[in-house]
Parts: sequence; structure tokens; C-alpha cells
Amino acid sequence: GDSVTQMEGPVTLSEEAFLTINCTYTATGYPSLFWYVQYPGEGLQLLLKATKADDKGSNKGFEATYRKETTSFHLEKGSVQVSDSAVYFCALKGGSYIPTFGRGTSLIVHP
Amino acid sequence: DAGVIQSPRHEVTEMGQEVTLRCKPISGHDYLFWYRQTMMRGLELLIYFNNNVPIDDSGMPEDRFSAKMPNASFSTLKIQPSEPRDSAVYFCASSRTGGEGETQYFGPGTRLLVL
Repeated sequence: GDSVTQMEGPVTLSEEAFLTINCTYTATGYPSLFWYVQYPGEGLQLLLKATKADDKGSNKGFEATYRKETTSFHLEKGSVQVSDSAVYFCALKGGSYIPTFGRGTSLIVHP
Repeated sequence: DAGVIQSPRHEVTEMGQEVTLRCKPISGHDYLFWYRQTMMRGLELLIYFNNNVPIDDSGMPEDRFSAKMPNASFSTLKIQPSEPRDSAVYFCASSRTGGEGETQYFGPGTRLLVL
């Protein structure tokens, strides 16, 4: 079945540092890939997505590229801010109507 | 649109009591999902509906849990009787077939504490 593996957290960074959160997936066919973000006390919200190989999703300075050859969708940001502190979820949606979420990676950014 | 609406936002109850969580999905969305989130188990899918019909409830932990969707704009998740291990954040999410890559839109969650 489909699965998503993302790096364990927490990831702790200083403000303006470079961020990478790794995500790899297993799926049949050509799934859509997503990154969701959950701020403290809130529900998950879509951060970015990509629906086909080599697509790059981007939003709020975050980027991720759909790499079919490595089955990866790593999240990056060049310069993090304290306000980026949150939990980040990688997810995929294939042929099933049930999306598959990773376990989530907590990001803590210090001033 | 106001987004997915959940009520109550917080619920504190005593063991053995009935708890009812409510959700209003985004208008026009044909899928509705109920999730539970805990530190130990992360995000778990409990049940989902398509066009108001329950499709898969294999994630419902036991018979104490039940969910209904009487119409396209309303769903409930009921726990009867509640137990302390049911304490968690419960999320409702909705999506539209073929829309926006089928992005899920989550509500703010109901934080349930069973004493």
C-alpha cells in the first residue's frame, strides 16, 4: 500500500538558517504530493503541492520538487523565521480516495 | 467560504459520558473525513464519507465510536461511553473530487479531555 516516510523531529534551527525536511514515499502510479503545516493549536493547512513528476510546489518561501526517480518530495526554505515554527506533514494521494500522511516533523526556530 | 467548521472547540467531560462532535464541511465538497490526533499515535483516519455515505470506518477504534452524515452540510462523531484514552484532538476535513489535486481542508479541531 501507499506510505510516506519523513524525518523524525524535532528539527531545531536558528532564525535565517536553511531548512530541509526529507520526505520519501511509496505508491503505485502517479500520486499527487502535498506538504501540510500545523501551527500550534490549529488544524492542518495546505502549504504546497505538486501533481506530477518534476513539478515544483512553492508557497511562503517554501519549495518542494516532485522527484519520481528518487520517490522524494523534500521541503526546503532558504531562511526560516520564528513564525515558521510548526509541525510539517508530508502526504500523498494516489488512486485511493484516502490520503496518506507522514508522522509529521516538528520545527522549532529560535531567534 | 468560512472553511470547515467544528464545534465545540474544547470539550471536557467525565468518563462514561456521551460526547458529540460536530462538523460542517466546505460547501460543494463531496468527501468528509474524521481524524484523531495524539502524541503517541499521530494523525489517524477514523472514518470517511462520500456524498454522505460512509465508505470506510475501519479506523474507528471500537463500537463506542459512531459517525453520521445526515446531509451534505453536517456530520457528527459520537463517543458513548467516553473513556480517558479517548482524550485527543479530533479533526474534520473535507475535499472535492478532482478539485485542486484533491487537497484536504481541515477544521480547527475539537480538543477533547475525558477525566
